[in-house]
Amino acid sequence: DVKVTQSSRYLVKRTGEKVFLECVQDMDHENMFWYRQDPGLGLRLIYFSYDVKMKEKGDIPEGYSVSREKKERFSLILESASTNQTSMYLCASSSGTAYNEQFFGPGTRLTVL
Amino acid sequence: LAKTTQPISMDSYEGQEVNITCSHNNIATNDYITWYQQFPSQGPRFIIQGYKTKVTNEVASLFIPADRKSSTLSLPRVSLSDTAVYYCLVGDRGFQKLVFGTGTRLLVSP
Repeated sequence: DVKVTQSSRYLVKRTGEKVFLECVQDMDHENMFWYRQDPGLGLRLIYFSYDVKMKEKGDIPEGYSVSREKKERFSLILESASTNQTSMYLCASSSGTAYNEQFFGPGTRLTVL
Repeated sequence: LAKTTQPISMDSYEGQEVNITCSHNNIATNDYITWYQQFPSQGPRFIIQGYKTKVTNEVASLFIPADRKSSTLSLPRVSLSDTAVYYCLVGDRGFQKLVFGTGTRLLVSP
């Protein structure tokens, strides 16, 4: 069974802290994505990666960075967390073109106090 | 950028057929139309994808008219477990342009 796992289901951090969200997929997918989901705004793409060490900005990259050192792992980094980054963060992976099915992880609900 | 418009919410009863329509007036020639389903506390899950006419799988059907400016997801004989948020997604030549939108919240009642 295909799987995308995220390091935490729930996370509470303080303003100004550096936050790492980890995502691991076991499907040998070349594409990986980070989204955030907020009520009334749907899913919005933060960053994606189509290969190891490659990254591209999505719709809302400000305040975030990413790292992809290995094919199976994609990390989202909040350099200095702020309260407006409180959200649900979803990781996904896919193979091939942009139209192909994305497989999502369960999400990490991050609260920044 | 091919934006989509869906109803915010829909209500139905068990055993009924549910049709959710998505409007995508600016769809490009090469764009596919994809639908995802999301249950509470889970990530979205792929349901169905199509380019034109009709596509059917074990879960749903997708109807796309000739002008492709809209599409309709059809769920036959819904059950309580179909209560979820449904997203219509239209690709636009690159990952950056995939827009999930706000989705349609379907509530199925007994």
